[in-house]
Amino acid sequence: GIQVEQSPPDLILQEGANSTLRCNFSDSVNNLQWFHQNPWGQLINLFYIPSGTKQNGRLSATTVATERYSLLYISSSQTTDSGVYFCAVPLGRMDSSYKLIFGSGTRLLVRP
Amino acid sequence: DGGITQSPKYLFRKEGQNVTLSCEQNLNHDAMYWYRQDPGQGLRLIYYSQIVNDFQKGDIAEGYSVSREKKESFPLTVTSAQKNPTAFYLCASSLRTGAMNTEAFFGQGTRLTVV
Repeated sequence: GIQVEQSPPDLILQEGANSTLRCNFSDSVNNLQWFHQNPWGQLINLFYIPSGTKQNGRLSATTVATERYSLLYISSSQTTDSGVYFCAVPLGRMDSSYKLIFGSGTRLLVRP
Repeated sequence: DGGITQSPKYLFRKEGQNVTLSCEQNLNHDAMYWYRQDPGQGLRLIYYSQIVNDFQKGDIAEGYSVSREKKESFPLTVTSAQKNPTAFYLCASSLRTGAMNTEAFFGQGTRLTVV
């Protein structure tokens, strides 16, 4: 089945720094999502980005489907950005049952 | 507000007992999913359902059971056959496969502890 790999596994930043998180996937996909898991465990939707670039405030994401990767950019990081960032892609066909497969995540700690 | 509601937030179970975790959504989504997360780990798929009265096993279905009698509800039962049930359980939903937008949304999770 499809493999989803995220890097780096851990990241420590000083508040105000910028960072780039990467998600590689082993097969072509028709959508990709980025999530932020907060310290209470809730998964927050960041981006639904099958291809191209999207921006939301200090966060932006780019997916290059033909090269099978996606990047999540965090600019001017804040302590509230801490948590785990997951990317997820669907496994299966669009016209039949499919399931969402997660990478192992990037654990981010932003220090004040 | 539209969303996904999981209950309870915390659940304690004695060894040998079955427990049922609730997941309800009012987003009019067809597809629903259950994931398990262990400390410091990613999410693993337990069961998923694309339509009412139909569901499929995920990667770690042993020791779990589900039902999908209503579009809005997808309860998960953790049976006594699940050898290590202590974990964080997350429910999700999305539009049906084949829809233009299949973005998935998650509930707040249930922390299950075996005592």
